[in-house]
Amino acid sequence: AQKITQTQPGMFVQEKEAVTLDCTYDTSDQSYGLFWYKQPSSGEMIFLIYQGSYDEQNATEGRYSLNFQKARKSANLVISASQLGDSAMYFCAMSPGGYNKLIFGAGTRLAVHP
Amino acid sequence: DAGVTQSPTHLIKTRGQQVTLRCSPKSGHDTVSWYQQALGQGPQFIFQYYEEEERQRGNFPDRFSGHQFPNYSSELNVNALLLGDSALYLCASTLLPSTYNEQFFGPGTRLTVL
Repeated sequence: AQKITQTQPGMFVQEKEAVTLDCTYDTSDQSYGLFWYKQPSSGEMIFLIYQGSYDEQNATEGRYSLNFQKARKSANLVISASQLGDSAMYFCAMSPGGYNKLIFGAGTRLAVHP
Repeated sequence: DAGVTQSPTHLIKTRGQQVTLRCSPKSGHDTVSWYQQALGQGPQFIFQYYEEEERQRGNFPDRFSGHQFPNYSSELNVNALLLGDSALYLCASTLLPSTYNEQFFGPGTRLTVL
């Protein structure tokens, strides 16, 4: 079964510190994509970062990096130098090979404290 | 460059009624996917439209149907509404084929069924 698991319902971090949000996935496909989205209270899903299953380097986008461990089937999001505006829901998602649909996890609510 | 737009923003219906939600994809995109996000959960894939045809479908009953128009905009129709259909409905667009399956999301339509 294809599934995304996010085991942290909520996390909090002090402003300017780094935080890691966990994500594990399950798929039998060899080709797949992994995504992280941010969802503020307004509801819109904002794309943060992408990792392809064949990418050997961990993806980075500004303050976001994806710690991809293929053998462990994990794709953790690392946010460096947290900002108050980072407070939101964060969703890990997978796009199975050959398809365009996204399978989402249950999300992690991140609170950044001053 | 206009992003993904959805209408209406909010909607209140009663059980048994029918509803139509609308989505205009990001400029240049030809594929539209619909997701249902119940409160406190991750989005669930409903279906995807490409070239005016349903390309993929998630585990949703036939009460959920859709349409894509020649200008790539799309509608989601839900018949015989149930209380459990109350959710945020998200539309996402992409361009196929794509290097990776990044989907751009709209702000969503929040449907309340009373």
